[in-house]
Amino acid sequence: QSVLTQPPSVSGAPGQRVTISCTGSSSNIGAGYDVHWYQQLPGTAPKLLIYGNSNRPSGVPDRFSGSKSGTSASLAITGLQAEDEADYYCQSYDSSLSGSKVFGTGTKVTVL
Amino acid sequence: QLQLQESGPGLVKPSETLSLTCTVSGGSISSSSYYWGWIRQPPGKGLEWIGSIYYSGSTYYNPSLKSRVTISVDTSKNQFSLKLSSVTAADTAVYYCAKETHDFWFDPWGQGTLVTVSS
Repeated sequence: QSVLTQPPSVSGAPGQRVTISCTGSSSNIGAGYDVHWYQQLPGTAPKLLIYGNSNRPSGVPDRFSGSKSGTSASLAITGLQAEDEADYYCQSYDSSLSGSKVFGTGTKVTVL
Repeated sequence: QLQLQESGPGLVKPSETLSLTCTVSGGSISSSSYYWGWIRQPPGKGLEWIGSIYYSGSTYYNPSLKSRVTISVDTSKNQFSLKLSSVTAADTAVYYCAKETHDFWFDPWGQGTLVTVSS
């Protein structure tokens, strides 16, 4: 039922930069609604990583950055570290679904 | 520091009603600044928003689940609850509660509780 599409997986060596895309439509990201990102480490609850497209909560390293353009958003991780191996989800609001909050399909980041 | 904790049965029979409670500590559920939401994650799959409630009782549900979902709030106990009726195996998931801002992001989340639907 996800209306936000992410690549199933991305990988990179330690120290490299990886990006995760989140593609929506004119009723969610394209309508101007903000995109938020969550990190889910194995066996744990999701944790807010980026809010309002590009803002980091206190305590989130500046290696993580977010951006948004048109009907898509991106999460970038620079200086990839072993502890960044996790699942990442984007999330937004969709006006065509009676005020639904919608999540992306999720991306598994693997550190090689 | 605000914390949320889910509680409820870990096993529910098919066709019965799933009932979970989220207890909020370290802050008031009656804050006008936030909503309170439920999200679930089937084993090995992605996240799905179930619904959210304001302290006044206003609710917003995922259209795909709306006919089976009821979310309520008990401000005297600083808790909010989820009821999902007529469950099937497809409702087996880890259920999370979370604080939701007016800008629609969720933070923090509870640790989650696994609910299995099986006879």
